[in-house]
Amino acid sequence: DIQMTQSPSSLSASVGDRVTITCQASQDISNYLNWYQQKPGKAPKLLIYDASNLETGVPSRFSGSGSGTDFTFTISSLQPEDIATYYCQQYDNLLGFTFGPGTKVDIK
Amino acid sequence: QVQLQESGPGLVKPSQTLSLTCTVSGGSISSGGYYWSWIRQHPGKGLEWIGYIYYSGSTYYNPSLKSRVTISVDTSKNQFSLKLSSVTAADTAVYYCARDKPPYGAFDIWGQGTMVTVSS
Repeated sequence: DIQMTQSPSSLSASVGDRVTITCQASQDISNYLNWYQQKPGKAPKLLIYDASNLETGVPSRFSGSGSGTDFTFTISSLQPEDIATYYCQQYDNLLGFTFGPGTKVDIK
Repeated sequence: QVQLQESGPGLVKPSQTLSLTCTVSGGSISSGGYYWSWIRQHPGKGLEWIGYIYYSGSTYYNPSLKSRVTISVDTSKNQFSLKLSSVTAADTAVYYCARDKPPYGAFDIWGQGTMVTVSS
């Protein structure tokens, strides 16, 4: 199966800071990489699909990039409402879906 | 807009079968074009995909759970269901149903989740 790693596992940043999370796949997944935001007690919310496409209604301060095995998720200017855990997730039509372990984002 | 709602027992005894149903509203499973998945999250942990079903009944399961999982669909009720057999405490989790947006393999709509505890 395809393993996903994320770093860091947690971070603290100030409001207005640029925040970057990386996700690495154990093998080439092309652009089949999605990013989610999960707040406590809530279901995950899709933010970015196909590595770099912003889901409808998601603020433009969120962005994604990468292909192959290395991907990046960025919040250009951290807002208080962005406090959450962020997950990457890959899709392979033979091996199914795998999520990364998550990155918890806090306000400093 | 499409909404998903999980339902089922919150407590299951060890060795029994966990059964959950996801009711889809605001859209028809039969219209096709989407895959319907079950995903779980162990307390304080990450997310694990369990499997999906298409309206036609075709399924695909996580290999690590395949021997215990059955997902079925009832298009007349606009529902799909999960059965997980021979449960243990390790199956205690929040279970989500979700819609997969092909071809991206992205889960764009989720239910609110339902907590299932395995305990005697």
